[in-house]
Amino acid sequence: TQLLEQSPQFLSIQEGENLTVYCNSSSVFSSLQWYRQEPGEGPVLLVTVVTGGEVKKLKRLTFQFGDARKDSSLHITAAQPGDTGLYLCAGALETGGNMLTFGGGTRLMVKP
Amino acid sequence: KAGVTQTPRYLIKTRGQQVTLSCSPISGHRSVSWYQQTPGQGLQFLFEYFSETQRNKGNFPGRFSGRQFSNSRSEMNVSTLELGDSALYLCASSLKTGFSLSGNTIYFGEGSWLTVV
Repeated sequence: TQLLEQSPQFLSIQEGENLTVYCNSSSVFSSLQWYRQEPGEGPVLLVTVVTGGEVKKLKRLTFQFGDARKDSSLHITAAQPGDTGLYLCAGALETGGNMLTFGGGTRLMVKP
Repeated sequence: KAGVTQTPRYLIKTRGQQVTLSCSPISGHRSVSWYQQTPGQGLQFLFEYFSETQRNKGNFPGRFSGRQFSNSRSEMNVSTLELGDSALYLCASSLKTGFSLSGNTIYFGEGSWLTVV
């Protein structure tokens, strides 16, 4: 059974601060995805990383896939209230089709 | 284009009853996956269907079943409902199955909220 440990579970920060969310596993994933989920909605894909050591940037968000493809991080620079939400990492195996193993999520609140 | 549509959005059932949830994927998508989301367990994979065939199955009891029709629409059924089945059930669709360097994007619906009393 593959497990993804996500930390922290909760994060409350002031607008303008930086933050990093971590996603760790003892298993190797062929790809890792990050989602954001708003209340009452399904998760929305932010990014997919597939290569060990890969770094992707999406405006103020920076995603990194570990060299060994067992861990990932999401860094948000100068957080804004609009970044508030539930952030989820999810890993996929090469032979697992579209089966995703999700981390427990990080609930982020950015206060103005 | 229309997103993933799930019906019903909300429903309340009694312990021991059964429930059927429906999912219409994005037009042209052949893969449909189902997930259960609860505060305690988070998002857990139930099963994936691709071209009417179950491709993967998560670690859930046999009370949870699903199927996919020739038009890619999918249903999931939970029999003999238990209180612990109360959850948000999410359906997700994509063009293809599997993640590779060529990429694959999964689109989630808004979910069906099931409350078992």
